[in-house]
Amino acid sequence: EAGVAQSPRYKIIEKRQSVAFWCNPISGHATLYWYQQILGQGPKLLIQFQNNGVVDDSQLPKDRFSAERLKGVDSTLKIQPAKLEDSAVYLCASSLNQERTDTQYFGPGTRLTVL
Amino acid sequence: AQSVTQLGSHVSVSEGALVLLRCNYSSSVPPYLFWYVQYPNQGLQLLLKYTSAATLVKGINGFEAEFKKSETSFHLTKPSAHMSDAAEYFCAVSGGNYQLIWGAGTKLIIKP
Repeated sequence: EAGVAQSPRYKIIEKRQSVAFWCNPISGHATLYWYQQILGQGPKLLIQFQNNGVVDDSQLPKDRFSAERLKGVDSTLKIQPAKLEDSAVYLCASSLNQERTDTQYFGPGTRLTVL
Repeated sequence: AQSVTQLGSHVSVSEGALVLLRCNYSSSVPPYLFWYVQYPNQGLQLLLKYTSAATLVKGINGFEAEFKKSETSFHLTKPSAHMSDAAEYFCAVSGGNYQLIWGAGTKLIIKP
């Protein structure tokens, strides 16, 4: 079974530029998550989708971050314009549903460096 | 509200020694608890999870964790450390809103 795919793996941009990340979840998984992981910290949930609807985006900085999940499968996360503090690893995860006991499966992440 | 505290941002053990990584939680609902491992430049991988069945949970790679309600703890152990266990370990609790609340992580260092 294929895991969660993410691209690109690494991205370096200058502040005020825009960047987009792509995620392909495990086939059949209804729930998709985007996390931001800053060095030395645990993951911070940015947005959660159930199929193609947003369940929670309360921690998404909506003035610069946007995300969509078209057709309830792939998802993209965009930052425009980027700030220095956005330097982090962006993790995508998926789970079968959004039950409290469901395991979240993670992709390898995208390491973003903003100069 | 839920929260997770992992004691020790770094833990160093000798190869072959006992590994003990500490996790304490608070939860306003019956907790479901998870341990994930993150190897360098990789995503997180589930080690084990507690879902209110057996209090002693066995996971992959020889790890296990015991749920102790009275101590609000879910410590991760492994009898004998191996060099390949060097990684960062995260404890998480499932909140009432179906989201995971994560600890800050503990980096496990294995000394030869």
